[in-house]
Amino acid sequence: SQTIHQWPATLVQPVGSPLSLECTVEGTSNPNLYWYRQAAGRGLQLLFYSVGIGQISSEVPQNLSASRPQDRQFILSSKKLLLSDSGFYLCAWSHFVRAEAFFGQGTRLTVV
Amino acid sequence: TQLLEQSPQFLSIQEGENLTVYCNSSSVFSSLQWYRQEPGEGPVLLVTVVTGGEVKKLKRLTFQFGDARKDSSLHITAAQPGDTGLYLCAEPRGAGGGADGLTFGKGTHLIIQP
Repeated sequence: SQTIHQWPATLVQPVGSPLSLECTVEGTSNPNLYWYRQAAGRGLQLLFYSVGIGQISSEVPQNLSASRPQDRQFILSSKKLLLSDSGFYLCAWSHFVRAEAFFGQGTRLTVV
Repeated sequence: TQLLEQSPQFLSIQEGENLTVYCNSSSVFSSLQWYRQEPGEGPVLLVTVVTGGEVKKLKRLTFQFGDARKDSSLHITAAQPGDTGLYLCAEPRGAGGGADGLTFGKGTHLIIQP
């Protein structure tokens, strides 16, 4: 069966510090990978998606970047965090030809 | 990108009652997914509806897709405290068959009181 791992579960970072969130998927190959952010009152917002190694599409101009160094690994990064980067970050995967998404447990990021 | 409107935004009812929540759009859905999210966790897929007029049942949950594929409803019969959570509807973005990710509604916060 397929599983998705996302860490850390919670993170408190000072403004201006770097960020690296990692997500890995097991039990499937060539998944589509996604990063979403969930902020209070705004719902889930798609940040980045990837259909293959090294292929990243960005949906919202922002202070974040994503990379996919391996088929089942997706990383969300920032060089300098802003207060507005606080939120609940969710990694997800889907089958190559299906839309249904399977989510990780999420990372609660608080920038102070 | 079309907007998905969910109603009500909040709903608190007693255990054993029935309820219905809605997901609407001004445009036709290609397909629609329903998720449930518990606090501090990621959303979990409940169902996908594709065909206009389609009805799917998952135990006490009944999902209906409107004939014109512009609306959907989730009906819960005899609600239980374990049904508490955020119910989200979502539609595939773009024409990529799902590879482009999902557009979500803001959800309905459901609380079932014992």
